[in-house]
Amino acid sequence: RKEVEQDPGPFNVPEGATVAFNCTYSNSASQSFFWYRQDCRKEPKLLMSVYSSGNEDGRFTAQLNRASQYISLLIRDSKLSDSATYLCVVNGRDSNYQLIWGAGTKLIIKP
Amino acid sequence: DAGVTQSPTHLIKTRGQQVTLRCSPKSGHDTVSWYQQALGQGPQFIFQYYEEEERQRGNFPDRFSGHQYPNYSSELNVNALLLGDSALYLCASSSAQTSLGPQHFGDGTRLSIL
Repeated sequence: RKEVEQDPGPFNVPEGATVAFNCTYSNSASQSFFWYRQDCRKEPKLLMSVYSSGNEDGRFTAQLNRASQYISLLIRDSKLSDSATYLCVVNGRDSNYQLIWGAGTKLIIKP
Repeated sequence: DAGVTQSPTHLIKTRGQQVTLRCSPKSGHDTVSWYQQALGQGPQFIFQYYEEEERQRGNFPDRFSGHQYPNYSSELNVNALLLGDSALYLCASSSAQTSLGPQHFGDGTRLSIL
């Protein structure tokens, strides 16, 4: 089993819709969780950190479910510019220094 | 406030050659991590440097080596290049004071092996 797993998609969503995707992780001792966004052939950019209590940043909401070992990302009122790959990141099993990345979920927003 | 800078942006090499990639961390950051990202995959951790030493290493062969300088900049060296080394190489910087915090990435170096 991979340490961090994501549905690769693509998720094809009409503009204005709400979309959500999850990411599961295997290390129950993980402490740090992040969502990054990556545009085609560009570097990953931090979208948001994920806190135990859940957090919201504008149209984006991230939640952590420790019992089931997954994090989620919800995007409301989706825009064409939200089209990208969303990468889930968790700190690794052996060390706090190593971040383990999912392969990403591709999101395509259609007009 | 300068972000993470990497050079070169693109590089073409042939099998068996050696390559050096460079990275300057974001201002105020002292820790540099290197990742390899193949097409359609998430970044794979190569290693991390802090205080001029390799602090953590991922599952990469010894052909991959690195260095960190006193000014926190870093190099990634790959020897005996293989076709499978073709990828986007990403450098990320962070602060040791927030070791569980997010990392900030450079634009990456796209390495193609012919």
